[in-house]
Amino acid sequence: AQSVAQPEDQVNVAEGNPLTVKCTYSVSGNPYLFWYVQYPNRGLQFLLKYITGDNLVKGSYGFEAEFNKSQTSFHLKKPSALVSDSALYFCAVRDENTGNQFYFGTGTSLTVIP
Amino acid sequence: GAGVSQSPSNKVTEKGKDVELRCDPISGHTALYWYRQSLGQGLEFLIYFQGNSAPDKSGLPSDRFSAERTGGSVSTLTIQRTQQEDSAVYLCASSLAPGEQYFGPGTRLTVT
Repeated sequence: AQSVAQPEDQVNVAEGNPLTVKCTYSVSGNPYLFWYVQYPNRGLQFLLKYITGDNLVKGSYGFEAEFNKSQTSFHLKKPSALVSDSALYFCAVRDENTGNQFYFGTGTSLTVIP
Repeated sequence: GAGVSQSPSNKVTEKGKDVELRCDPISGHTALYWYRQSLGQGLEFLIYFQGNSAPDKSGLPSDRFSAERTGGSVSTLTIQRTQQEDSAVYLCASSLAPGEQYFGPGTRLTVT
């Protein structure tokens, strides 16, 4: 069955330090992978995606993510965290074998400490 | 171009009443999705429409929930005989395969 796991409900990081938000997935076919961010009282905003090609993808606000097929992971990273990065982050996957259905993780709350 | 819009932005209703939530997707997007999000929680898939195909209703929590999409564009999510546990933010998204979803701002439903 298709699924996404975000093993950390909460991640705290000091401002200026690198941040990582973890995501692993399970699909039967090739995955299409996405990260979204949700600021308080706002809708979800698209950050970046992996469809095909280079395993390292760069997205909005200085975020990047690396597709690792052997580890079935797509961790979100940023070299230097900002207080304004504090938000709820969701990983999502589409399976090429199951049409347009998206599967979302449960979300990770990131707090960047000044 | 305009993004995904949803109306109303807030809805307060009494238990037992019916409500209708509306979603206007991005023009040309063939797929439309409804999700429910409880306070600070993850996304609960409800239903999705893909072109003229039969919708995937596998996420609807009960037969009080229904949705339709007219003319491949606007969608309405209807909740009949609302219950307090229906209180949540209802999010709509659209996409053009195989790309990302674009989300609307959501409708906050409060059942009193």
